Amino acid sequence: KNQVEQSPQSLIILEGKNCTLQCNYTVSPFSNLRWYKQDTGRGPVSLTIMTFSENTKSNGRYTATLDADTKQSSLHITASQLSDSASYICVVRRTGFQKLVFGTGTRLLVSP
Amino acid sequence: GAGVSQSPSNKVTEKGKDVELRCDPISGHTALYWYRQSLGQGLEFLIYFQGNSAPDKSGLPSDRFSAERTGGSVSTLTIQRTQQEDSAVYLCASSLGETTAYEQYFGPGTRLTVT
Repeated sequence: KNQVEQSPQSLIILEGKNCTLQCNYTVSPFSNLRWYKQDTGRGPVSLTIMTFSENTKSNGRYTATLDADTKQSSLHITASQLSDSASYICVVRRTGFQKLVFGTGTRLLVSP
Repeated sequence: GAGVSQSPSNKVTEKGKDVELRCDPISGHTALYWYRQSLGQGLEFLIYFQGNSAPDKSGLPSDRFSAERTGGSVSTLTIQRTQQEDSAVYLCASSLGETTAYEQYFGPGTRLTVT
């Protein structure tokens, strides 16, 4: 069954600290994986996209990794800011399919 | 440029009433998607439009749900005889085309509450 699981479900960290969010998927055949950030009351916004051959990709303080062998991805946030408080959603696309497979997200709260 | 816009932003309706939700995609985007996001759940695919092709309606949960896309641009999602379980945020997204590399750009969503 094509699924995307994320952990933790929620996370609270102090401003300035780092954190890592996890994503495990069983989607096949794999095309690409995106991490989205969804602020409260807004639609998701793409942070990174990773294809099968990519291991690491950075976007500012966000660094995503992908291990296609173990079907795992992570999103590392460095020096967190209050504005990082949001839900982070891992989304996987199957080759040849238009429908995306969404994880349920990790809700991150950065406290001062 | 302008992003995906949706209206209304919030809608409260009584059980049994019909509602229409509107999506204005990014100009030039040929693909348009509707999703539903229930509390604590991941996004659930509803329907997909690509150009002039027949839409993929495989995600619509019941025949109470329907969607149209007029002129390849604006789309309307209609829910007839609303039920309390229809309460959710309805998100619309558009992309340049159907190639898998194209990013989907999401609108802010319409929060539907059925009382």
